[in-house]
Amino acid sequence: DQQVKQNSPSLSVQEGRISILNCDYTNSMFDYFLWYKKYPAEGPTFLISISSIKDKNEDGRFTVFLNKSAKHLSLHIVPSQPGDSAVYFCAASSQTGANNLFFGTGTRLTVIP
Amino acid sequence: NAGVTQTPKFQVLKTGQSMTLQCAQDMNHNSMYWYRQDPGMGLRLIYYSASEGTTDKGEVPNGYNVSRLNKREFSLRLESAAPSQTSVYFCASSEDPGGRSYNEQFFGPGTRLTVL
Repeated sequence: DQQVKQNSPSLSVQEGRISILNCDYTNSMFDYFLWYKKYPAEGPTFLISISSIKDKNEDGRFTVFLNKSAKHLSLHIVPSQPGDSAVYFCAASSQTGANNLFFGTGTRLTVIP
Repeated sequence: NAGVTQTPKFQVLKTGQSMTLQCAQDMNHNSMYWYRQDPGMGLRLIYYSASEGTTDKGEVPNGYNVSRLNKREFSLRLESAAPSQTSVYFCASSEDPGGRSYNEQFFGPGTRLTVL
C-alpha cells in the first residue's frame, strides 16, 4: 500500500508563474519530509525538506508547506523556470522506521517558455 | 569526485539468468541503499547497509541479495531473474543512516534492467 501519494502525474505551467506540487501521506509516524528532483537518465537529487515541527521551509524559489492534520504537503516553485522541468518526488521518513525513505510516485513538471 | 557510480547502465537478461549490479561511492559515506523504480510506484527500497559489514531488508527484498564489499562498494545480485524484476535500479549513499536532509542521500544514475 502506497504510504506516500502524489495524485497528479503531470503538471504544466507557464514560465514565471507559480508551480504547486502536492503530496499526501497516510503514516502518522512520518516526521520528516523531503522533495527530490529527477532529470531523465539521472538519479534523483535532493531539493528541500521539512521537519514535522515546522509548517513551512523556504529555500530561494522553493517553499515546502506541511499540514500535519491533513497529512498533506506541497512544494511551491516561484517563479517557475524552464530548467525546473523534471520529475519531482515527495519522500517521507520516520525515526521509528529506521529513517528509511518512502517515495511517492512522482509528478512530471513541464515549464513552458 | 564521481559521487555514486553504477554499472552497467543497461542490461537485458533472459528469465532465470543471474547478474550483479555494481555500485561504488567515493564520498566516504557509511550508508548505502538499493532502490527500484517502477512506473506508477515511485522508488522502493530493496536493501540497505547502514554501515560497512551490515545489511538489512527494505520494502521489497524478495528475489535479491546484496553484499557490502567494503565501505565504497555495495552490490545487488539477482540469482534467477524474473520479468517482474524489470525496472530501473538506483543505488544511493549517505553519510550516516537515515532519511534526513542532513544525511542527504546521493543517488547514482541508475541501471535500466529488462528481463525477457
